[in-house]
Amino acid sequence: AQTIHQWPVAEIKAVGSPLSLGCTIKGKSSPNLYWYWQATGGTLQQLFYSITVGQVESVVQLNLSASRPKDDQFILSTEKLLLSHSGFYLCAWSLAAKTEVFFGKGTRLTVV
Amino acid sequence: QEKVQQSPESLIVPEGAMVSLNCSFSDSASQSIWWYQQHPGKGPKALISIFSNGNKKEGRLTVYLNRASLHVSLHIKDSQPSDSAVYLCAVNGNEKITFGAGTKLTIKP
Repeated sequence: AQTIHQWPVAEIKAVGSPLSLGCTIKGKSSPNLYWYWQATGGTLQQLFYSITVGQVESVVQLNLSASRPKDDQFILSTEKLLLSHSGFYLCAWSLAAKTEVFFGKGTRLTVV
Repeated sequence: QEKVQQSPESLIVPEGAMVSLNCSFSDSASQSIWWYQQHPGKGPKALISIFSNGNKKEGRLTVYLNRASLHVSLHIKDSQPSDSAVYLCAVNGNEKITFGAGTKLTIKP
């Protein structure tokens, strides 16, 4: 069975500090990977997607970057956090385009 | 850029009622349309999808798609308190997936 693990579960970080969020997918080879962000009470917004190792496409510019160093790993990061980065970050995967997307449990980020 | 609008924003119905949720999208190109359920503090979970015009039934759920009018609806029969959640409409076009803002559904026992 496929599993998706996100870390950390929650973070409280200072404005201007760096951030790294991670996601690992087990049990599925070469999945499409996605990062989503959801402000409190807001709409789920796609940030990045990746269809293969080393290739990441940006969908929305939020002063964040993403990398896929391994087939089963997706990393979201920034060198300098803004207050506007607060929210709920979700990693997700799918077998292919237009198919069901499976979400992780998310990371709650609070920037103070 | 794809736009997805959902209505109503929130809905409160008694247990056992039929629930109807609406979603409009902006691009008639061939994409799959998905409905997701999201509980507070959790990731969304897919419920049902549709690709072709017409309807599709799975258990208590029925989805209707009309590409000409750029509209899709989800109907939940015999609603239960456990159906209370936010329902998200998603337009899945290749690797870009656009979600609507959601409808918050509350089923009163």
